[in-house]
Formats: sequence, structure tokens, C-alpha cells
Amino acid sequence: DAGVIQSPRHEVTEMGQEVTLRCKPISGHNSLFWYRQTMMRGLELLIYFNNNVPIDDSGMPEDRFSAKMPNASFSTLKIQPSEPRDSAVYFCASSLQTGNGYTFGSGTRLTVV
Amino acid sequence: GQQLNQSPQSMFIQEGEDVSMNCTSSSIFNTWLWYKQDPGEGPVLLIALYKAGELTSNGRLTAQFGITRKDSFLNISASIPSDVGIYFCAGRGSARQLTFGSGTQLTVLP
Repeated sequence: DAGVIQSPRHEVTEMGQEVTLRCKPISGHNSLFWYRQTMMRGLELLIYFNNNVPIDDSGMPEDRFSAKMPNASFSTLKIQPSEPRDSAVYFCASSLQTGNGYTFGSGTRLTVV
Repeated sequence: GQQLNQSPQSMFIQEGEDVSMNCTSSSIFNTWLWYKQDPGEGPVLLIALYKAGELTSNGRLTAQFGITRKDSFLNISASIPSDVGIYFCAGRGSARQLTFGSGTQLTVLP
């Protein structure tokens, strides 16, 4: 199994631009999570999906953030417009069920200048 | 919501020494997990605990699920340079998703 695949690994963009982060969960996993990691706040859960349906998006910081899961093998996290304070590492994780251990991707390091 | 307090925040140890870190929660957890994050990578699951009092080993790593269900610890014996990284505890209680601790940054000095 290739694990959770995230793209791109690195993204540098200018403030105001739209950013789209992509995630392919492990085949057969029905829960998908988006996390943001910063030095100040550690790992923050942004949103999670069960069977492609968003269950809890209370961690999404602002309306500038949106996430979709059009099918079981693909999810996106979009930031529009991006701001410098959005700079962080964004992780996608998946699991068989929400209570099991999660498998994380390698992350996308986002820098907004 | 559920809160996790992980300590210490960072540790500097000599190669060969044993390491201990722990997490406490403000509420009862049903599952405790320990992850390790290498630089530039995502966290990787090390050990999962599902029962109060459970003691589980994975090589040089040993983790325990506290009897009160509000704490867990991770021990690493005879540390080696590749143990360097950030260790996270995670727990699941009444909420469906995991709650993560703030991490313990481990540095192993030669």
C-alpha cells in the first residue's frame, strides 16, 4: 500500500492567491482528516469526513478554508484567499474508523508570502 | 472539549539512556495512542492501547494505559540517535475523533 498521498509536498504562494491541497487516502479507509501543524498550536484538527461526508468542520479557522471529498479516494483543502498566517504544514490522515489509529501523509508545507 | 497535557515539552538525553514521557487528560479516554514524527514527515503510529492497565511493548518502546484512564506514558529504553523526533500522545474519549497532545521533542546526543 502506498499510504496516504498528499500533494504538493511544498507550496509557496503570494498572499491573496488560492491554494489547493490534495489528498488520496488509503484504499478502504472510510475516515479522512485534515490537520494543520504549527510551532505555536501543534496539531490542529481542521475537518474530518466519514464515508465522504463532512462530520465536523468546527476546526476550520475561517470561511477562507473549505474542504471537499467528492469520492472515497480523493479530498481537497482549499484556502482562498491565502494569508501569511496560513503558513503551516497541512497533514491529511485516514483510518478505517474514526476511533482507530490514523495513518498520516507526509504533509504539505505551505508558505504564504 | 477534551484536553491533553503532554510532558515534557522537550528532552535532551545521552545515547543509551532511557526516556520517559507522559500524557494526562481532563477526561476519561477509551483509547491511547503514541506517535512519532520524523523531520519533514507525518506522525507514524508506534503503539495503540485499548484497555485500562494495558502495558504494550514495541521493541525498545513500552507504553501503558493508566488505570484511571486519564493518563498514559511512553518509555524508550537504551536510546539511539534515530529515536530523535517529536513524540505525540493521542487519545479518544467521548468524542469520535482523536485528541493529540502538544508533543515531546526528543534529542539524543552522541
